[in-house]
Amino acid sequence: AQTVTQSQPEMSVQEAETVTLSCTYDTSESDYYLFWYKQPPSRQMILVIRQEAYKQQNATENRFSVNFQKAAKSFSLKISDSQLGDAAMYFCARIYGNNRLAFGKGNQVVVIP
Amino acid sequence: EAQVTQNPRYLITVTGKKLTVTCSQNMNHEYMSWYRQDPGLGLRQIYYSMNVEVTDKGDVPEGYKVSRKEKRNFPLILESPSPNQTSLYFCASGWTGGNQPQHFGDGTRLSIL
Repeated sequence: AQTVTQSQPEMSVQEAETVTLSCTYDTSESDYYLFWYKQPPSRQMILVIRQEAYKQQNATENRFSVNFQKAAKSFSLKISDSQLGDAAMYFCARIYGNNRLAFGKGNQVVVIP
Repeated sequence: EAQVTQNPRYLITVTGKKLTVTCSQNMNHEYMSWYRQDPGLGLRQIYYSMNVEVTDKGDVPEGYKVSRKEKRNFPLILESPSPNQTSLYFCASGWTGGNQPQHFGDGTRLSIL
């Protein structure tokens, strides 16, 4: 199975502060796609952001941005100006093979008011 | 509204009693997939389908069956459920081609006693 590694199972952040979630992965491909999904207490899986490996520019979606380091196979997610609604489990994922997704084990983000 | 619909959302049943979890998508996606989510393990793929009548094993297929007779439906069948199949299950669909994110259903919580 493809490996996606997320360390720090739980992270806390003060409201309005910034938190960064780390993710590393293995691959022998040069072109691939990476995703961060958010899972709030409602259990829905919500796409937060995606990155195409051949693009040098880091993806950004409002308060969410990534730091993609292709050589290091690293794909961290930064949440700026954290809000209470950001409290959730966050999963890093990579596409491989026939459109298959490999997920990390997740990071629980706790937002402190 | 574009959506992936799973039923039931919750089910408590007993060992050995056959059950089916249905999944239907209204986006005409070729690709469909089943995942199970367990604490500390993230999401793991059970089976996937690239199109009608084309299915293949994921990472944890033991104890499960699937079928893809129509493009929109991809049921998950547990012929003889066991307690180790107690989990949260997600169905997902998407376009083939690795740059397109998958759309997830709301999840099915299965408890096998």
